[in-house]
Amino acid sequence: QVRLVQSGSQLTKPGASVKVSCKTSGYTFTSSSINWVRQIRGQGFQWMGWVNTETGTATYAPDFTGRFLFSMDSPAGTAYLQIYNIHDDDSGVYFCARDSRLDAWGQGTQVTVSS
Amino acid sequence: YVLTQPPSVSVAPGTTATFSCGGYNIETKSVHWYQQKSGQAPVLIIFYNKERPSGIPERFSGSSSGDTATLTISRVEAGDEADYYCQVWDNGGHRRVFGGGTTLTVL
Repeated sequence: QVRLVQSGSQLTKPGASVKVSCKTSGYTFTSSSINWVRQIRGQGFQWMGWVNTETGTATYAPDFTGRFLFSMDSPAGTAYLQIYNIHDDDSGVYFCARDSRLDAWGQGTQVTVSS
Repeated sequence: YVLTQPPSVSVAPGTTATFSCGGYNIETKSVHWYQQKSGQAPVLIIFYNKERPSGIPERFSGSSSGDTATLTISRVEAGDEADYYCQVWDNGGHRRVFGGGTTLTVL
């Protein structure tokens, strides 16, 4: 069956960089886009953008330009999210989700930013 | 583009729960609904306004008209307690937008 498995929780300091992975299985990686979504407690979901897994082209939501980078390793069926110069208010749970309907989700990766 | 959901809905087991998702002219958009249980990732339960993914019970249904999309859960069970979110593509803002979510409590 379709599975998206994310890397584990991370505790980091302001100004650092983090990288979250999303390993897919159960389908052809290049047949569906990968979206990234952030959930901050008490603030609901924020869609960060998506990666066209056929071309590798990344599209970022307006609030997620500059410090955020989507990448992928197609042979490994894995997508990545990198956050540079991380801020306190980037703390939250980051999800990868498949397809424009977000029809399958990873389990989420808790990123905590604390000095 | 803003999606508005009531913060909470409470119903007795066996009855019907109705969730609204308000947005300007939402009937022209494709609405997707997700269920998120405590501590878990969301699960897609309705896509393209009214379609159910495989494995989602027929008790879950969706509709959309005017400025309101609606998720309905018939014969509510205790296991349906969760947060429910709607989501659409905002053409003007070039982004996906989520409603704030509605918490279902089964009395």
